[in-house]
Amino acid sequence: DTAVSQTPKYLVTQMGNDKSIKCEQNLGHDTMYWYKQDSKKFLKIMFSYNNKELIINETVPNRFSPKSPDKAHLNLHINSLELGDSAVYFCASSQVRPLFDRERNEQFFGPGTRLTVL
Amino acid sequence: AQKVTQAQTEISVVEKEDVTLDCVYETRDTTYYLFWYKQPPSGELVFLIRRNSFDEQNEISGRYSWNFQKSTSSFNFTITASQVVDSAVYFCALSEGVNAGKSTFGDGTTLTVKP
Repeated sequence: DTAVSQTPKYLVTQMGNDKSIKCEQNLGHDTMYWYKQDSKKFLKIMFSYNNKELIINETVPNRFSPKSPDKAHLNLHINSLELGDSAVYFCASSQVRPLFDRERNEQFFGPGTRLTVL
Repeated sequence: AQKVTQAQTEISVVEKEDVTLDCVYETRDTTYYLFWYKQPPSGELVFLIRRNSFDEQNEISGRYSWNFQKSTSSFNFTITASQVVDSAVYFCALSEGVNAGKSTFGDGTTLTVKP
């Protein structure tokens, strides 16, 4: 069974459209994330979310919004798509552990969604 | 402000060589977390390690080891006896929060291991 899945794998759309990318994890984790990797392979975290806290990277435009219908899902909605939104978007999940817990706090990643805005 | 510097853009080694990937970070926080991730040519992202700022113990996992030195603000990653399958882009990241939600990433180091 896939631990973290994303749909679609590829998304090609026109500028100005609104689109969503879905993410689901079956690991029972309490925290999910969205990352963006641009054409130069630079990686940036966009959001992390659990049922207590949403952390938003301040550089993320408000056209991007995470929506979590339940603990196992964190979807990414993008409004008014722009050319610069073209990138690969990765979803991830983890079970967040306290500061002094030496467990690995491993994050599991989805396969990525390649978004192309024309 | 947080900053992560991976000064080595690309490294090329021959199989069985040891290789160290450097990571230097800047933060004003006393509590922070450091991460390493691997991205092989197939494109998926793989989490390798998380270390918190209060734990300077070095860690070894098979051929991988990590050296955390607060005195030099470095969290270097060494691969011993490298293999072709180690070829990938490696990212170092720094986070203020325990759940990586405020992470800043380095630009990545592309490691090529030749047979």
